[in-house]
Amino acid sequence: NAGVTQTPKFQVLKTGQSMTLQCAQDMNHEYMSWYRQDPGMGLRLIHYSVGAGITDQGEVPNGYNVSRSTTEDFPLRLLSAAPSQTSVYFCASTTPRLAGNNEQFFGPGTRLTVL
Amino acid sequence: GENVEQHPSTLSVQEGDSAVIKCTYSDSASNYFPWYKQELGKGPQLIIDIRSNVGEKKDQRIAVTLNKTAKHFSLHITETQPEDSAVYFCVSHDDNNDMRFGAGTRLTVKP
Repeated sequence: NAGVTQTPKFQVLKTGQSMTLQCAQDMNHEYMSWYRQDPGMGLRLIHYSVGAGITDQGEVPNGYNVSRSTTEDFPLRLLSAAPSQTSVYFCASTTPRLAGNNEQFFGPGTRLTVL
Repeated sequence: GENVEQHPSTLSVQEGDSAVIKCTYSDSASNYFPWYKQELGKGPQLIIDIRSNVGEKKDQRIAVTLNKTAKHFSLHITETQPEDSAVYFCVSHDDNNDMRFGAGTRLTVKP
């Protein structure tokens, strides 16, 4: 199992540019989520999905779109990048509740800088 | 929204000493409390967790305690080693998958 993979590892954008952060998992988890990590603020939930075809907003969804056409993939789109979106982005997939816990498996992260 | 407060934000201990990190949550529906360790340049990784029907759980050098009445939970690391140096996050979690992360504690273990 590769677990959760994210691409790219690093990205620099200019204000106004758009891009997609890719996330894939091979553990057949239904629940996937995107977080951003900023200094002193822990991880904040951007969007999440409880299964293919279903997405919902988290704590900080503005400026981001997601889709979930398959169980494996959960891409995050920045429509018009802003300097405030400079952050480290983590994708995670979560074990089913019936498994006894809700362990989240995180990808290695994407460090995004918006100039 | 419901928040999780985590203290301290930084913690420096001598190798072999103990380290304690404390969290307070406000959502009464929270019933699952995992702790994650994040090493430099990596994503967070689960190290221990506790459910609301248990007061304490131990796994070798790490332990977690939960006081559901006071809405406090803590991480205890004994006999710390340099490889314990990392950022630690507490999380409160309810059955609706509403998860809140603490702001993190940067632990440094000095050899």
